Amino acid sequence: DAGVIQSPRHEVTEMGQEVTLRCKPISGHDYLFWYRQTMMRGLELLIYFNNNVPIDDSGMPEDRFSAKMPNASFSTLKIQPSEPRDSAVYFCASSSDYYGYTFGSGTRLTVV
Amino acid sequence: DQQVKQNSPSLSVQEGRISILNCDYTNSMFDYFLWYKKYPAEGPTFLISISSIKDKNEDGRFTVFLNKSAKHLSLHIVPSQPGDSAVYFCAAKSGSARQLTFGSGTQLTVLP
Repeated sequence: DAGVIQSPRHEVTEMGQEVTLRCKPISGHDYLFWYRQTMMRGLELLIYFNNNVPIDDSGMPEDRFSAKMPNASFSTLKIQPSEPRDSAVYFCASSSDYYGYTFGSGTRLTVV
Repeated sequence: DQQVKQNSPSLSVQEGRISILNCDYTNSMFDYFLWYKKYPAEGPTFLISISSIKDKNEDGRFTVFLNKSAKHLSLHIVPSQPGDSAVYFCAAKSGSARQLTFGSGTQLTVLP
């Protein structure tokens, strides 16, 4: 089991550009979560899916953020247009039970 | 409005001594609590958890204590080792909810 796989590991982009972050959850996990880590707020939940269906996107900061899960093995988080305040580490996690998650290694996004 | 708070951003402890990391929560509906450990450039990994029906859970060098009346939990690491140096996140969930609410993290440094 390769765990939760995120790509890219690092992304540097210019303000105004579109950014797409990718996640492959663990096979058989029916829940997928996107979190953002910042120094001030720690780990914030952005959105989560159950069986590929978005359940709660109340944590998505603005309309500039969107997430999709077209199938059980792939999800994307898109920011368009990106802004410097979006700079953070974005984590994807997947889960198959009530008791915790497995996280990916994260994508460090820098918007200049 | 942070429902899970870790008020100490950092903690330094001498090797062999006890490390105590603290976490407070405000949501009385939370009934399951977890600690995650995060090394640089990696995703958080599950460390230990506790249900609200217990007040203590122990796993080797790690013990989590829960004080429901004070809405407070703590993680004790005894003895502390340099390899324990990491960021520790407290997390909580309620009932059948699948999403976790995380604190902002505490950077633990164990000095040799």
